[in-house]
Parts: sequence; structure tokens; C-alpha cells
Amino acid sequence: AQSVAQPEDQVNVAEGNPLTVKCTYSVSGNPYLFWYVQYPNRGLQFLLKYITGDNLVKGSYGFEAEFNKSQTSFHLKKPSALVSDSALYFCAVRDILFNNNNDMRFGAGTRLTVKP
Amino acid sequence: SQTIHQWPATLVQPVGSPLSLECTVEGTSNPNLYWYRQAAGRGLQLLFYSVGIGQISSEVPQNLSASRPQDRQFILSSKKLLLSDSGFYLCAWSQVGVRGNTEAFFGQGTRLTVV
Repeated sequence: AQSVAQPEDQVNVAEGNPLTVKCTYSVSGNPYLFWYVQYPNRGLQFLLKYITGDNLVKGSYGFEAEFNKSQTSFHLKKPSALVSDSALYFCAVRDILFNNNNDMRFGAGTRLTVKP
Repeated sequence: SQTIHQWPATLVQPVGSPLSLECTVEGTSNPNLYWYRQAAGRGLQLLFYSVGIGQISSEVPQNLSASRPQDRQFILSSKKLLLSDSGFYLCAWSQVGVRGNTEAFFGQGTRLTVV
């Protein structure tokens, strides 16, 4: 079975500081990993994904994430946080071992608050 | 470009009443379609997914059902709503990728309150 964990319910950072939102995964095979952002009362917006290749993935709005197979992690990062980055962030995984296009599992979400 | 439309944005329904939420996708064909529920602004629970017309898979037993009458139309229904059906419902689509490497794109969501 595939699953993701976001160990932090809440992350607070000051504007201009670097931010990290953590995600760890569990799969039987190799993972496809995704990050999404959700603003209040809105749907989820896709930020970036790791499929294969370079472990450092760059995405929208200056976000990036690093795939670490030994630590089974896919942490989301940004060098300099903006107040407008405040939102709910979701990590998601698919396990390619099951060749399943249908089952994307999401973490519980991490609320990021960037203070001016 | 592809777009996804989900309506209504908000809905207040009495217990025991029926439900119909609709989702349509434009600009693509034969998408995978999904219904998720988000409770209390947190994690997403996959309710249903569909790989084609009339093909529905359910993730959890519940008071809800889904149908896909057309290629790009996905409907979430209930015959009798329960209080526990309240939540934020999200429709999503993805292209049929290679072993699941495609991201999903979400609609704006429907806030359902059962009273």
C-alpha cells in the first residue's frame, strides 16, 4: 500500500526566510511524488512532481522539492518565503509498482503561515 | 487548454434530501476522473474514480454514488444525505499517463453543509 505522511500540521516562518514543508512516503515499489497548494475554499493547485531523473525538482512560484530515496522523503522548499505563500500544502504519492493511474494518496496537509 | 468546472460552489441541504454535484472537463478526451472529500480543511479522501464512461470504482463504502454518463462528465449523488456527508467535495481529472506519472487537476470545490 502507498501512503504519505506530513509530520507537521503547522509551519510558521518569517517573510524572506527559507521554508521547508516535510513529506515522507511509503510505497512497495518506486514512487511518483507530487506537491499541491490549496488556498481557502479553493481547489488544489499543482506545484511540482518527481517522476524520475534529477532528485531536485523545480516547480511553480519558486518552489522546489528534493527526492531522497534513502530517507523516503520529498520535502518542499523555497529559499525566500512570501506572505502570499501562506496556504495549505499537500504531498501526494502514486506507487508505480501497481501500474495504477487511479490511486493518488494525499497527506493530511501542512498549513504554512508566513508572517511579515 | 484544459479546464475543469465544478458546481455549485456552495450548497446547504437538509438531512434526507438528495444530492447531485456535477463536474465537467473541457479540452481533453478520455480523462481519468476523481471525486475527493476534504473534511475540516485537512486531508483528502478519495471517494470514486473513473477510467471511462460507465466505469466507476469506489474507494470506501458510503452513502454516496458516482456516475459518468459522458466522457468528460462526472456526477456525485446521494439519495438521502446524512449530517456526516458535510464537507468540501473536489472533482479532479488527470490524463492517462505512463504508470501513473500524470498530475491531477482540481476543480474549485463544492462546500456542502447538511443541516
